[in-house]
Formats: sequence, structure tokens, C-alpha cells
Amino acid sequence: SFELTQPPSVSVSPGQTARITCSGDALPKKYVHWYHQKSGQAPALVIYEDNKRPSGIPQRFSGSNSGTTATLTISGAQVEDEGDYYCYSTDTTGNYRVFGGGTTVTVL
Amino acid sequence: QVQLRESGPGLVEPSETLSLTCSVSYAAITSYYWGWIRQAPGKGLEWIGNLYYAGSTSYNPSLRSRVTISVDPSQLAFSLRLKSVTAADTGTYYCGRLRGSAPFNFYMDVWGIGTTVNVFS
Repeated sequence: SFELTQPPSVSVSPGQTARITCSGDALPKKYVHWYHQKSGQAPALVIYEDNKRPSGIPQRFSGSNSGTTATLTISGAQVEDEGDYYCYSTDTTGNYRVFGGGTTVTVL
Repeated sequence: QVQLRESGPGLVEPSETLSLTCSVSYAAITSYYWGWIRQAPGKGLEWIGNLYYAGSTSYNPSLRSRVTISVDPSQLAFSLRLKSVTAADTGTYYCGRLRGSAPFNFYMDVWGIGTTVNVFS
């Protein structure tokens, strides 16, 4: 099977930089996408294809993918950035489409 | 702006079949691919499956024997059927529109608000 590993939690002070990692085999060969889920809401796409921002997503969100680790960076985190973040990718066969376990981001 | 809305019974008895519908507004259902994702209470997201128009599908191997995703263009909707449900299938089910490129780079860019399903007798 194919698995993506994320840290359970990340804490950051307002205005500081938060980095969330996502580790998995052969990630450079596959795109990684990132979702943000606020409490009680549906997830929302914040980064797709490693480093692209959908329309309406603030510039403080950025992504990278190198080696076996993808990283979501929030530069100048805001209180509204709190919530759970999930990475998502596919294994090399396409048989497994997997979410990481999720990272809870706290801004305080 | 495309809108999606899930609908279906909030309660399903064990061993029965769960059937959910995702209604699509402001998008041509035959022009996109579609998918389902679920989330158990207090847990993370789990991919269920994708539907590529013309009937091609891709399912989570752990659910493949029980799940069917299909489209009804005349109803501007697509559906999820999950048979032989157990308490482990309890959770919130989301439908969504897929974007990206074949063969494997598909991601969900627009989500429904989700519908909660409880499995118990």
C-alpha cells in the first residue's frame, strides 16, 4: 500500500511561518495537493500540483515537493489559517489515492 | 461557480446498502470527472473513488468489492452505492469535482458540504 505521513500538529505564533511536511515514497514522481479543513466544514483546496494556488487562496500559502517530502508553507500565519491540513497524492500505479493523516495547525 | 450537494438517508442499518446522490449545478456533468471522499467522526479523510465519464471508475482497494459510483446525466447527478455497510462506514460523505490530468493526477477542486451517514440498527 501507499502511505503519506504528516506530523499530527504544528503550532505557530501569528505572523510567523508554519511548515507542514508530507512524506511518502516516490513523491517527486507524483503531484501532491493540499487541503485545509476548518472545524465543521468541508475541506478546501489550498495548493494543487505541488505549488500552484487556486484562485482566491492568499499568497502566504505555498508548496514544494522534493526528495520524498512535500511541504506546505504558510508565511505569516493568520488566526483564520487554523484547522486541519491534509496532503493528497497517488502511488506510482495509480491504484492508491491517499490522504495524509492530517496536521492540526494552531495559531496562537 | 459549480455547486455540489450530497443527499441521501442519514441512517442506514447494518448489512444494508448506502445510496447517496450528488447533485451538480452550474457545470456540465459530462465535461468533468467526479469523486467521493469520506471522513469518519474525528478521523481523517479517506478517498472512496473516482468516476471518469463514459463509465470508467477507480476505487479504493479497501472498498472496491462493495462500492459503485455511477453518473446519471439526465438528472445532472452522480451517485455512490456502498453495500453491506457496518458501523465502520459511519461518517460524513463528500462529493466533488475532479481536475488535473490523466492518468493519475486528479484532485478534487470543488467539494459539496457533505452529508452525515450513521450506520446502526
